[in-house]
Amino acid sequence: AQSVAQPEDQVNVAEGNPLTVKCTYSVSGNPYLFWYVQYPNRGLQFLLKYITGDNLVKGSYGFEAEFNKSQTSFHLKKPSALVSDSALYFCALIRAGSYQLTFGKGTKLSVIP
Amino acid sequence: DGGITQSPKYLFRKEGQNVTLSCEQNLNHDAMYWYRQDPGQGLRLIYYSQIVNDFQKGDIAEGYSVSREKKESFPLTVTSAQKNPTAFYLCASSKGQGRSTEAFFGQGTRLTVV
Repeated sequence: AQSVAQPEDQVNVAEGNPLTVKCTYSVSGNPYLFWYVQYPNRGLQFLLKYITGDNLVKGSYGFEAEFNKSQTSFHLKKPSALVSDSALYFCALIRAGSYQLTFGKGTKLSVIP
Repeated sequence: DGGITQSPKYLFRKEGQNVTLSCEQNLNHDAMYWYRQDPGQGLRLIYYSQIVNDFQKGDIAEGYSVSREKKESFPLTVTSAQKNPTAFYLCASSKGQGRSTEAFFGQGTRLTVV
């Protein structure tokens, strides 16, 4: 079985401050990890992914994420938050050798002006 | 423009009726997925398909059915056996090869039972 946990339902951060959205996972074998963002009543948009190699991956809109195998985490980060970053963020994984794409419950990010 | 199209955007169903949600992609992707989204529960996988004429149940397949007769199309039928079908439904596709490619999502269908 594989699972993704996003321990925070909501994260509030002031505009200009750094932000972190947390994600941990459980899977047997090597994971492929993804972050997506969703705006109200819309589909999901891809932000970034970790497949292999460098543990720090950079993605769209200035976001980055750090893969930590020992802590089974893949936290999303951004050095300076914008009000327009306010949205619902999802972490997801595929186990190597599988097609099943599993999502976490999502974290609502609110950036306060 | 390449992309993935879901229709209709809004759908109303009477109790006891079956309804079919459309999902079409012109990205030449092998893999396609259906998810259900409820507030506070994230995205839960209903069905997925790796290739034409093949599909697998996800975590919440009961009360749903799918077909994959063409690479481009992966329709989802919500049957009368699904007791609580009101939700936001999302279709996605990915290249599939290597399983390391990201999924592309449609804009969703909001289904309401009236």
